[in-house]
Amino acid sequence: GAGVSQSPSNKVTEKGKDVELRCDPISGHTALYWYRQSLGQGLEFLIYFQGNSAPDKSGLPSDRFSAERTGGSVSTLTIQRTQQEDSAVYLCATAPEGGPDTQYFGPGTRLTVL
Amino acid sequence: GNSVTQMEGPVTLSEEAFLTINCTYTATGYPSLFWYVQYPGEGLQLLLKATKADDKGSNKGFEATYRKETTSFHLEKGSVQVSDSAVYFCALDAGGTSYGKLTFGQGTILTVHP
Repeated sequence: GAGVSQSPSNKVTEKGKDVELRCDPISGHTALYWYRQSLGQGLEFLIYFQGNSAPDKSGLPSDRFSAERTGGSVSTLTIQRTQQEDSAVYLCATAPEGGPDTQYFGPGTRLTVL
Repeated sequence: GNSVTQMEGPVTLSEEAFLTINCTYTATGYPSLFWYVQYPGEGLQLLLKATKADDKGSNKGFEATYRKETTSFHLEKGSVQVSDSAVYFCALDAGGTSYGKLTFGQGTILTVHP
């Protein structure tokens, strides 16, 4: 079946602009995670959605970052007023349920802020 | 806090050589442990996992044993192939308030030459 998909695959933007990154999960997966992979910081957790519960936003680096998940399916990560340090690969992962369940990762969106 | 430390790479081996990639962790409670692999041009995928002490995860000839006494989860393979060239990430799910959120090591680049 279809895996996790993310769009766009690449995004180049100018400093100060807002960007939206999209994640389409595997059908039926209730848990959805966003991570960031950057040269300086490695792979970092950003935010976690589980079913209809309030999301765990503990990994978001600043209030410029936000995410939503509509109808328990598609998720959008929004970065406002982008900065050069936001340049990274943003990964989405989903799992059938939360907890130590295997997470299935999407191919990522490479964001470059000029 | 929770953390994962991997041996620094890159690691370069000849085909059929023995592979060890060291991973140690710090976590409260009883974490679940994972190895993820990222092949060139592909997304992260689960290689193997172990959810309790003394469990051995195995897949594609790779093995790792959850050692609580040494807080380690070293990855081994008896005979590597060129197709094993990839970046390997050790990760943990600490459970509790961190339930479902993966903490990753920095990644180890493995290159296998014919």
